[in-house]
Amino acid sequence: LAKTTQPISMDSYEGQEVNITCSHNNIATNDYITWYQQFPSQGPRFIIQGYKTKVTNEVASLFIPADRKSSTLSLPRVSLSDTAVYYCLVGDLNMFSGGYNKLIFGAGTRLAVHP
Amino acid sequence: NAGVTQTPKFRVLKTGQSMTLLCAQDMNHEYMYWYRQDPGMGLRLIHYSVGEGTTAKGEVPDGYNVSRLKKQNFLLGLESAAPSQTSVYFCASSIGTGPSYEQYFGPGTRLTVT
Repeated sequence: LAKTTQPISMDSYEGQEVNITCSHNNIATNDYITWYQQFPSQGPRFIIQGYKTKVTNEVASLFIPADRKSSTLSLPRVSLSDTAVYYCLVGDLNMFSGGYNKLIFGAGTRLAVHP
Repeated sequence: NAGVTQTPKFRVLKTGQSMTLLCAQDMNHEYMYWYRQDPGMGLRLIHYSVGEGTTAKGEVPDGYNVSRLKKQNFLLGLESAAPSQTSVYFCASSIGTGPSYEQYFGPGTRLTVT
C-alpha cells in the first residue's frame, strides 16, 4: 500500500490559486490517485482522480509527473467556501478482487481560505 | 435523489448500552461501507459489503457488527458501547469497485459514549 504525505495545513486568500502536493513514493503500477474534499460536519466528497499526466474537471486540476511519485491538486481562484480538508488517496480501488486493499484516508490537508 | 442518508445524526450512549446506526442509499449501489473518524484524523474502514446479504471486516472491526439484509440498507451495531467508540461515523456507497468508482458519503452520525 502506497503511503501518502501531504502538508498538514495551508492558508490562502480569496481569488488565489492553491496547489496542494501529495507525495507517494511507493506508488504501484496499478494505483490511481484520488482526491476527496471534506467540509466541517460533512462526509468526504470526491473531487478528482487520475493515473498520469493531467486531469481537469469543473472543480480542480490534478497534475501527475511522469514518475508518479507525487501529485498536485490545483484549485483555481479559491473562495471562502473552499475551506475544507483535502485528502490524497493512492491505491488500486478494485478493493475486493484477489484480496483486500484498503482506501487509506490520512489526516489530510486543512486548507483555510481568508477574505 | 436523497443519496446516502444516516440515522440518527447525534446520539449519546452510556458505557455498555447498545445501538444500531442505519445507512440508506437510493442509488442502487452494490457496495456499502462504514467508516469512523476521530478528531483530527482521517477515516478508518470498519466494515463493508459487496452486495445484499454479504459483509466483511475492514480495518477496525472490533466492537462492531453489521448487516445488509436489503441492498439499500447497511446497519452498524454496537453491542456494548465503550468510550473508545466515541467518534463520527460515516456511511458510504459506490456502484462498483475499480479506479473509476467514487464513494458517496452520508452526512455522518456523531456518537458520544460516556
